[in-house]
Amino acid sequence: RKEVEQDPGPFNVPEGATVAFNCTYSNSASQSFFWYRQDCRKEPKLLMSVYSSGNEDGRFTAQLNRASQYISLLIRDSKLSDSATYLCAVETGGFKTIFGAGTRLFVKA
Amino acid sequence: EAGVAQSPRYKIIEKRQSVAFWCNPISGHATLYWYQQILGQGPKLLIQFQNNGVVDDSQLPKDRFSAERLKGVDSTLKIQPAKLEDSAVYLCASRPRALETQYFGPGTRLLVL
Repeated sequence: RKEVEQDPGPFNVPEGATVAFNCTYSNSASQSFFWYRQDCRKEPKLLMSVYSSGNEDGRFTAQLNRASQYISLLIRDSKLSDSATYLCAVETGGFKTIFGAGTRLFVKA
Repeated sequence: EAGVAQSPRYKIIEKRQSVAFWCNPISGHATLYWYQQILGQGPKLLIQFQNNGVVDDSQLPKDRFSAERLKGVDSTLKIQPAKLEDSAVYLCASRPRALETQYFGPGTRLLVL
């Protein structure tokens, strides 16, 4: 089993749709959780950190479920510009970061 | 604030040749990471430095890969000799302190023929 797993997709959604991604992790001692966005042939950029209480940033909502060991990302009112690969990242002790393989999202007009 | 700088941006070599990549992290960032990202996969951590000391190099293929971070600032990653499966993007990232975000450089795209 991979330490961090994501559905690779691709998710093809129309503009305005709501789409959700999940990411599961295997190490119950994981401490910090993040969602990164990666555009084609670009470097990953932090989208948002994921806190136990959940957090929201505009159209984006991230949740953490420690009991079931997964994090989620919800995108509301999808825009064409949201088309990208979304990487989840999990940090263990020593601040070692493990990335998932990413979920590809295509938003169509 | 200047971002993480990497060079070269692209490199094409033949198998069994050597190659080196350079990274200049954001000023003041103590932690520096080198990742390998193969097409279609997420970044895989190769080595993590805290200042000029190695924190984690468990996934670094030490028979062919080496990395150093002299004076706790710039870092170089070397592959010698390269194999076809080393074709990937090599990303450098830095962070100022624990629990804060990592900032990635633009990466070096390596093609081994």
